Amino acid sequence: DTGVSQNPRHKITKRGQNVTFRCDPISEHNRLYWYRQTLGQGPEFLTYFQNEAQLEKSRLLSDRFSAERPKGSFSTLEIQRTEQGDSAMYLCASSLGRTAPEPQHFGDGTRLSIL
Amino acid sequence: AQSVTQLDSHVSVSEGTPVLLRCNYSSSYSPSLFWYVQHPNKGLQLLLKYTSAATLVKGINGFEAEFKKSETSFHLTKPSAHMSDAAEYFCVVSEPNKAAGNKLTFGGGTRVLVKP
Repeated sequence: DTGVSQNPRHKITKRGQNVTFRCDPISEHNRLYWYRQTLGQGPEFLTYFQNEAQLEKSRLLSDRFSAERPKGSFSTLEIQRTEQGDSAMYLCASSLGRTAPEPQHFGDGTRLSIL
Repeated sequence: AQSVTQLDSHVSVSEGTPVLLRCNYSSSYSPSLFWYVQHPNKGLQLLLKYTSAATLVKGINGFEAEFKKSETSFHLTKPSAHMSDAAEYFCVVSEPNKAAGNKLTFGGGTRVLVKP
């Protein structure tokens, strides 16, 4: 079990630039989630994939945000025209898809700072 | 809709004394409940989970939690705190949802400080 891997760990960019983050889930996990965590808060759900299908998006995910999981393995989260309010830790999690709830395993996150 | 309230934003304990982190939840269904721990600049690590089996759940590192349906609570305890327990702790609820898998809803977190 190599765990969930996220890259980069840190990203600093100027307002208005586009950024892309990558998440590699645990290999046998078919479910993948993205969360956003701002300073001093708990993570908030952004979006969910079952295999390659994106099944739900939070209203937090504005039209500047797009996520993909093209082959049902790794996923990318892109933010276009970044704004100051996008500064946060972006967390990826994966789990098995079973009837009984399976715990989600989290990566160490990508910390985004907007200058 | 589901929600989680962690009643203390900060808890300070002395090393070797008990730790109690309080959590109340609201859920329309029979929820699954979790406690996660987050060390600085790291992701979240699962401490324990409740999924409608035994109401007293044992987790890693000596932590345990008790599910009380009548009180809608899921408090986390540890008999004796270690310095390494200093971290942020999140109480989490999950409801099965066909569209959203098992989307997690997090409490606001409790930061634990352990004094030598």
